[in-house]
Amino acid sequence: QKEVEQNSGPLSVPEGAIASLNCTYSDRGSQSFFWYRQYSGKSPELIMSIYSNGDKEDGRFTAQLNKASQYVSLLIRDSQPSDSATYLCAVNSNSNYQLIWGAGTKLIIKP
Amino acid sequence: NAGVTQTPKFQVLKTGQSMTLQCAQDMNHNSMYWYRQDPGMGLRLIYYSASEGTTDKGEVPNGYNVSRLNKREFSLRLESAAPSQTSVYFCAIQPQTGWGNQPQHFGDGTRLSIL
Repeated sequence: QKEVEQNSGPLSVPEGAIASLNCTYSDRGSQSFFWYRQYSGKSPELIMSIYSNGDKEDGRFTAQLNKASQYVSLLIRDSQPSDSATYLCAVNSNSNYQLIWGAGTKLIIKP
Repeated sequence: NAGVTQTPKFQVLKTGQSMTLQCAQDMNHNSMYWYRQDPGMGLRLIYYSASEGTTDKGEVPNGYNVSRLNKREFSLRLESAAPSQTSVYFCAIQPQTGWGNQPQHFGDGTRLSIL
């Protein structure tokens, strides 16, 4: 059973601090990794894709991938109240067209 | 969401009724997906269509059927609705460039309640 694990939270972070979200996966053959943000009552929205080991930065967001340890993380710098949402980690299945989804981490940014 | 249109946005059904959820895309993507999302459960794949003319079961296909009508449209049908099918249903699309190595993009969802 291929799995993606995330801490469900809630993770509470003060405004302006760095929020760190983690995700581990079981399929060693996975090659594509995605972070989605989902506001309450809305659909998931892609915020980061990462395919190679190391860091990928996009504005206040940094995705980090370590395939040897099978984890991917998302850092949010200078956290804002508008970053409060559930963050979903998704990993491609190496055998078909499917993405394997984590259950999400709820992030709360406190003013 | 631009590119993926789901109808209806909300629906209330009685147990045993049938209905079809519609999904249409204007991105010319090959792959389309139907998910359900329940509180605390994350996204669970019901069915997917890798390309026009093909459909495959996902993780939770029981109680559902799908039709890939053409490249633009992928519908999900509940033949005899049950309270356990109360959920939020999302349609997603993905460019077909290999084994799932592109992100998926979602419609706004259909909120379905079965009484």
